[in-house]
Amino acid sequence: DAGVTQSPTHLIKTRGQQVTLRCSPKSGHDTVSWYQQALGQGPQFIFQYYEEEERQRGNFPDRFSGHQFPNYSSELNVNALLLGDSALYLCASSLRGGSFREQFFGPGTRLTVL
Amino acid sequence: QQQVKQSPQSLIVQKGGISIINCAYENTAFDYFPWYQQFPGKGPALLIAIRPDVSEKKEGRFTISFNKSAKQFSLHIMDSQPGDSATYFCAASTLLQGGNQFYFGTGTSLTVIP
Repeated sequence: DAGVTQSPTHLIKTRGQQVTLRCSPKSGHDTVSWYQQALGQGPQFIFQYYEEEERQRGNFPDRFSGHQFPNYSSELNVNALLLGDSALYLCASSLRGGSFREQFFGPGTRLTVL
Repeated sequence: QQQVKQSPQSLIVQKGGISIINCAYENTAFDYFPWYQQFPGKGPALLIAIRPDVSEKKEGRFTISFNKSAKQFSLHIMDSQPGDSATYFCAASTLLQGGNQFYFGTGTSLTVIP
């Protein structure tokens, strides 16, 4: 049973560029959440997708957008990259029914903005 | 504003000792409190979680103690082992408008000395 997978593992971009990160949820899960984890900090909630719609959003600017596909996989897009966007981006999946609360994290994508 | 406050920032414990990490929250709407363990280069892994209707939950060497009136909860690691050396995050969440947003503490770096 595959857990949460994310791609790519590492990414280097320059300021002003755009980036797309991808996530496949754990088998059987239908909800995907994205987090930003700066070095030495806890994960910060970006947004959550269920049924291809954004259901919850944290305190992040509109430069951060997402999408969920019918197979429950998800993308995180960041436009006009800033140096401060350098972080580990984590995807977590969960099942809306049942306990719903148990979130399983992927290994993350390390984004470096130069 | 930090929704969940975690202490200490770092902790050094002898092998076989007890590691204790504390968290406090303000939002009484929180109703799910998980703890995550994160190793360098990996995503957080769910360790144990509790709901506010119980005061304690134990799974193996890991115990959550929950004090609803004080709005505090803590993780106790009994018989700490060098393999427990990692960063630990507490978190809290509540269901809002069909979504589920998690707030994480700032993390505790645990080192278990052989």
